[in-house]
Amino acid sequence: GAVVSQHPSRVICKSGTSVKIECRSLDFQATTMFWYRQFPKQSLMLMATSNEGSKATYEQGVEKDKFLINHASLTLSTLTVTSAHPEDSSFYICSARFPQGASYNSPLHFGNGTRLTVT
Amino acid sequence: AQSVTQLDSQVPVFEEAPVELRCNYSSSVSVYLFWYVQYPNQGLQLLLKYLSGSTLVESINGFEAEFNKSQTSFHLRKPSVHISDTAEYFCAVSEDGAQKLVFGQGTRLTINP
Repeated sequence: GAVVSQHPSRVICKSGTSVKIECRSLDFQATTMFWYRQFPKQSLMLMATSNEGSKATYEQGVEKDKFLINHASLTLSTLTVTSAHPEDSSFYICSARFPQGASYNSPLHFGNGTRLTVT
Repeated sequence: AQSVTQLDSQVPVFEEAPVELRCNYSSSVSVYLFWYVQYPNQGLQLLLKYLSGSTLVESINGFEAEFNKSQTSFHLRKPSVHISDTAEYFCAVSEDGAQKLVFGQGTRLTINP
């Protein structure tokens, strides 16, 4: 079946550095991918919608210069956390929609997430 | 804008007991409803979904959920749980024509032997 791969699964970085997280759709093309952030024991908050070949659409309150999204191909979207700080520590999850039928009719497939720890 | 409320943050039950995880939503338009399950340190897996048609939807592992438009609810139930059902469960809603999902706060289901 359709699989979304996310890499790395865990990353620890020092404050002030940048971290890139990759999200790949392995056996399907995804024109749209979504990036979520999940704080401990809380729900997923949508950060942005990544659109292949165009700019990402960010949710209100999400800093686009802080969380850079690049969707350069139909199978890869990247999220770069720039100048990371301890408060950016979180679980980041990407998802992609299998392009079958109407957009709302096909379920989202989620990656296994990336746990980012900023020291 | 739509929102989702999961009334219970934690639900502990004994193995083989029935369970209900509650979910209520608010929206001004037609919605599509989903339940996702998240195992520790993993992404989310779709458990079941309601798009249209029969208001009772079932998953392959014994869960079911019923869409109740008048009560704006989509509660998840299972008649007999197993240890392997221990996980976090998220209810989500997508408005008609929209691609993105809005998630509830999640319910942690703990199964005790």
